[in-house]
Amino acid sequence: QKEVEQNSGPLSVPEGAIASLNCTYSDRVSQSFFWYRQYSGKSPELIMSIYSNGDKEDGRFTAQLNKASQYVSLLIRDSQPSDSATYLCAVNTGGAGSYQLTFGKGTKLSVIP
Amino acid sequence: DTGVSQDPRHKITKRGQNVTFRCDPISEHNRLYWYRQTLGQGPEFLTYFQNEAQLEKSRLLSDRFSAERPKGSFSTLEIQRTEQGDSAMYLCASSFNSGAETQYFGPGTRLLVL
Repeated sequence: QKEVEQNSGPLSVPEGAIASLNCTYSDRVSQSFFWYRQYSGKSPELIMSIYSNGDKEDGRFTAQLNKASQYVSLLIRDSQPSDSATYLCAVNTGGAGSYQLTFGKGTKLSVIP
Repeated sequence: DTGVSQDPRHKITKRGQNVTFRCDPISEHNRLYWYRQTLGQGPEFLTYFQNEAQLEKSRLLSDRFSAERPKGSFSTLEIQRTEQGDSAMYLCASSFNSGAETQYFGPGTRLLVL
């Protein structure tokens, strides 16, 4: 079974600090990786997508991908209380011609003012 | 450009009843997905359409579940003979066939089966 693993947290960081969220996946052929943010009672909201090894930056967010280690991470710089949410890692695990995403259980982040 | 919309947003039903949910994707998005999410879990894939064709179905989609996208625009998800275990958030997402395949989610329909 193809799996996506995340530390469920909660992860608590002080305001202004860097939050580091990690994700590992089991399917070596996965090619597309996504981070979604989900506030309590709301639907997932896309933050970042990454497809190639290395870093991808967008504002305060940086996604990092290491396919050899089957590892993807999300860094949030200058964390704000509004960043407090559950962060979902999603991986395209359906193989060629498939577009289904497999999600981890999410990491709950709390940014303390 | 409006986002993905879902209707209803909330549904309470009694065990054994049938329910139907509707999803309207972002205009021009030709791919539409249904997921189910229970408390403390990530969304789980149910099924996927490209235009009007249903191309993938999860083993989670029992024979009580049926999904349609008759004209390649909106989609419906029907659950027959609901069970308490069907209580969950049902999420719809859509994407455009651009290679990136980024999926954008609607607000979800929260189902409670009593």
